[in-house]
Amino acid sequence: GAGVSQSPSNKVTEKGKDVELRCDPISGHTALYWYRQRLGQGLEFLIYFQGNSAPDKSGLPSDRFSAERTGESVSTLTIQRTQQEDSAVYLCASSLLERVTSYNEQFFGPGTRLTVL
Amino acid sequence: SQKIEQNSEALNIQEGKTATLTCNYTNYSPAYLQWYRQDPGRGPVFLLLIRENEKEKRKERLKVTFDTTLKQSLFHITASQPADSATYLCALPSGGSYIPTFGRGTSLIVHP
Repeated sequence: GAGVSQSPSNKVTEKGKDVELRCDPISGHTALYWYRQRLGQGLEFLIYFQGNSAPDKSGLPSDRFSAERTGESVSTLTIQRTQQEDSAVYLCASSLLERVTSYNEQFFGPGTRLTVL
Repeated sequence: SQKIEQNSEALNIQEGKTATLTCNYTNYSPAYLQWYRQDPGRGPVFLLLIRENEKEKRKERLKVTFDTTLKQSLFHITASQPADSATYLCALPSGGSYIPTFGRGTSLIVHP
């Protein structure tokens, strides 16, 4: 079976433009997470979905960031009016359940490397 | 909120030796702690989860310990191989949520 996929793998954009990042989770995984990883830094939690709803949006850095999920499947992270500080790798992960139990680990995609010029 | 500390300096060891990585946290003991491996240009890959009532967990050449008194987890790789070279991240829930917060990771370099 396929793992988590993300597209595009790389995105270069100009400051002020909007970008959309896509995540296809593992089929049947209820929970979906978005993280940001700046160069040499740890993972910064952005948002997670339980089904199609997002109970925790506390990690979104600003109102320029938004995300949605449809059909308990694909998710899109949108960044409006991109800034240079948005440059990072954006990682998506999915897990079978929204809560961590014995072996309910997160499965990560390869990430989208976003560069804002 | 929970602060997670992992050694930012790379750990260099010789092939065949045991690598030991440390993860310290500052506040309340979490319900669980996870270890992930991340290779350059890739997303993290889950390795092990240890719960608060477990002292030790093993998987093949990997061993994780969890000391809630010291607020510390140790991650051991025995008989290390150059292929074990990667960044290792620890993660634990914080802020009353089950969503894991990740440390910055420690880079392990195993020399042949």
